[in-house]
This record gives sequence, C-alpha cells and structure tokens, in this order.
Amino acid sequence: AQKITQTQPGMFVQEKEAVTLDCTYDTSDPSYGLFWYKQPSSGEMIFLIYQGSYDQQNATEGRYSLNFQKARKSANLVISASQLGDSAMYFCAMREGGTGNQFYFGTGTSLTVIP
Amino acid sequence: ETGVTQTPRHLVMGMTNKKSLKCEQHLGHNAMYWYKQSAKKPLELMFVYNFKEQTENNSVPSRFSPECPNSSHLFLHLHTLQPEDSALYLCASSVLAGEQTDTQYFGPGTRLTVL
Repeated sequence: AQKITQTQPGMFVQEKEAVTLDCTYDTSDPSYGLFWYKQPSSGEMIFLIYQGSYDQQNATEGRYSLNFQKARKSANLVISASQLGDSAMYFCAMREGGTGNQFYFGTGTSLTVIP
Repeated sequence: ETGVTQTPRHLVMGMTNKKSLKCEQHLGHNAMYWYKQSAKKPLELMFVYNFKEQTENNSVPSRFSPECPNSSHLFLHLHTLQPEDSALYLCASSVLAGEQTDTQYFGPGTRLTVL
C-alpha cells in the first residue's frame, strides 16, 4: 500500500480564494511527522509546514494551515488567500518515527492560481 | 550562498561519459540526502549520509556512486548511465537523520539528460 496518497493531480483556484489540497497517509507507527512541500517550476522543493502525530493543534504557518484528522489519517493543506505565486506542485510527505531515514512522498498536486 | 546549493543545474551526458553532481549546504546540518525525481513518480530516496557516514542505500545501481567528504558537501558520481536515468536529482540536508521531526531542506536540483 502507498504510504502517502494525493488524489488530486491538478487543482485550479481563483486568486484570493482558499484552496484545500488533500493528503492521506498510511502507517501503523504511533509516532510520525507529516510535511508539505511546494515545488515551483524552478525545481526546488520548499518546506511549508510540519505536523507531528502527537500535536494537539493543527499546524499553521502564515497562509498555510494543515487540517490534521488523525482518525481519518488525513493531513490536508489549506492555502488561504491564494496568490499567483502559489502556482506550483505541492507534495505531502511523511516520516515514521521508528524507521529513521525513510521519507515518503506522494505523487503531488499541481495547483494553478487563476487571476 | 545560503541554504542548499547544487551544481550544475542542467547536465546533458552520453551513456559513456563520467560526470559528477555537487551539493553544498550552508545550514550547519549533519545529514545529507540524494533523491531522484522522475516524471509522474514519487520522489525516490537514493542515499543518506549522517555525519559523513552512509546510512541508507536504497538499492541504487552501482553506476551511481555517492561521496560525502564532510557534513557540508555531497557528491554523486555518474558513469555509464542509461537513458532511463534522466531525471531531476535533488539534494537535501537536515539537522539529524532519523528524528521524527527532522525537516529536510532541498536544493534546486540538477536536471540530468542522458542521451
């Protein structure tokens, strides 16, 4: 089974609107971390936000927030007030606490912000 | 220079050539990583170095040879590559590989084309 599933290959959002990018994960490890990265066309993967499995509150970083639903094993990224510069690929990733080095990535969602 | 840098940004090579990719991190991190990103596939972890010691080799063919002379520098030596090795090669660094909360920071990547 895939560790990280991103079911939206492509998304469109109007500028200044909010958008939610879906991510579900699969693990039996009680200790894990969830990450979102942004990859513009230039190629660099930019770290956006982190959520730990034991964190009680949803993580927020500026316009980014992570909607963490542990029972459903989902970690959706919410981008508020979309900007044209938000157009990029977005990757969800997970690291399990017990396996150390392995960082599992999803296949990504391509977000296009429409003016 | 700040963050993680990679050179060259683009590389075209024949199957009989020998070339090297270079990665340098200016973040004071102790762990460095090589990833391969092919179209429509999740990122593939290739190698992990923690304090200059290789701790992960994800069944990577021997035509890829990593070298980590110190915690700030990472090389990927390439020889007798195949056309299917064409991809974006991303380098990343983190404070300490193996920790659940450890966030990886990526370089801009090297776009490799094998003719």
